[in-house]
Amino acid sequence: AQKITQTQPGMFVQEKEAVTLDCTYDTSDQSYGLFWYKQPSSGEMIFLIYQGSYDEQNATEGRYSLNFQKARKSANLVISASQLGDSAMYFCAMRAYGGSQGNLIFGKGTKLSVKP
Amino acid sequence: EADIYQTPRYLVIGTGKKITLECSQTMGHDKMYWYQQDPGMELHLIHYSYGVNSTEKGDLSSESTVSRIRTEHFPLTLESARPSHTSQYLCASSDYFRTSQGETQYFGPGTRLLVL
Repeated sequence: AQKITQTQPGMFVQEKEAVTLDCTYDTSDQSYGLFWYKQPSSGEMIFLIYQGSYDEQNATEGRYSLNFQKARKSANLVISASQLGDSAMYFCAMRAYGGSQGNLIFGKGTKLSVKP
Repeated sequence: EADIYQTPRYLVIGTGKKITLECSQTMGHDKMYWYQQDPGMELHLIHYSYGVNSTEKGDLSSESTVSRIRTEHFPLTLESARPSHTSQYLCASSDYFRTSQGETQYFGPGTRLLVL
């Protein structure tokens, strides 16, 4: 069975500081993808960053980077130079590309609050 | 940039009414999805489609039904709404044949449904 675990229900960070949101995953597939989404209070899901299981380098997209540690099955999101607009729910998700052709599995999310 | 639309954004309706939640995308994506999300909780897949005339049930059992007559349109219908259907419903799409970004799913703004 595939599973995503986000152990931080809520986090606070000071504006302009960096923050790491934790995500661990479990899958028996060798080929899979890991995704992070941001959900503001308005409700839409905004795609932030993707990491493939065979990618050797950590993914980066602007202020977002994904700290991928395959042996530990972790895919933590790092947000540098936090902004007030970063306050939102953040969801880690995984999709396996093996024989099962599974759909996205989401974690329970982490609520990030950025303090001025 | 995602071009996926959902209407209505908010819906308050009485028990027993039939409702249809609309979802359209202009990206020509083959695969489309419906997720259900209770406030502050993770997303659960309720329906998906690989293309025209294809519909599949997701991981979470739902009394809703879907149809896919056109590539760009994936409506969700509840024949008789009940208070237990109160939730947010998010539509998403992905390009099944484009794997460079792991078949990233792009989401619409969501419909918040309240059944009285």
